[in-house]
Amino acid sequence: DVKVTQSSRYLVKRTGEKVFLECVQDMDHENMFWYRQDPGLGLRLIYFSYDVKMKEKGDIPEGYSVSREKKERFSLILESASTNQTSMYLCASSFLAYGDNSPLHFGNGTRLTVT
Amino acid sequence: GEDVEQSLFLSVREGDSSVINCTYTDSSSTYLYWYKQEPGAGLQLLTYIFSNMDMKQDQRLTVLLNKKDKHLSLRIADTQTGDSAIYFCAESITRDSNYQLIWGAGTKLIIKP
Repeated sequence: DVKVTQSSRYLVKRTGEKVFLECVQDMDHENMFWYRQDPGLGLRLIYFSYDVKMKEKGDIPEGYSVSREKKERFSLILESASTNQTSMYLCASSFLAYGDNSPLHFGNGTRLTVT
Repeated sequence: GEDVEQSLFLSVREGDSSVINCTYTDSSSTYLYWYKQEPGAGLQLLTYIFSNMDMKQDQRLTVLLNKKDKHLSLRIADTQTGDSAIYFCAESITRDSNYQLIWGAGTKLIIKP
């Protein structure tokens, strides 16, 4: 079974802190994604990556950056956390072309609270 | 722009059928997906349908696609307590020469005993 592991289930950070969310997948997937999930808004794509050291902005990249130094690991970085970044963050991975019928495999999510 | 809409809640009695509806706007979608999110977990692919199909059945699940009306539905027969979850509809579209997924907000399925 594909496993996508997010390093933390719950995080509490203070406003202005730098926050790292880590995600690792074990199936040699080319594509990796970071979403945030908010009630009533569904999933919104923050960033995705289709290869090592490659990154593409999603729909809501402001306030975030990403790093993909190794194929299996995709990190989401909040340079200076703000309260409006309190959310559930979901990492996902897939083979090859995004959305062509390569289903996304999701981690269990990291619930981040910024106080 | 592209949009996928679904109701936020659906309440059904155990043993009844659940029908979760979804509408989308982009007629160029290739695949349409249903994902399930159980409490405290990430999303799992439940089923999908290719855009040139009308129906797909998989055990208790039936997916119906009306391409003319851009309407997708998921029917769960004999709904059980284990079906309690949030169900997300998503369509695969081409944007800037890349495939992208457009997500609905999710429908929370509530099972009444």
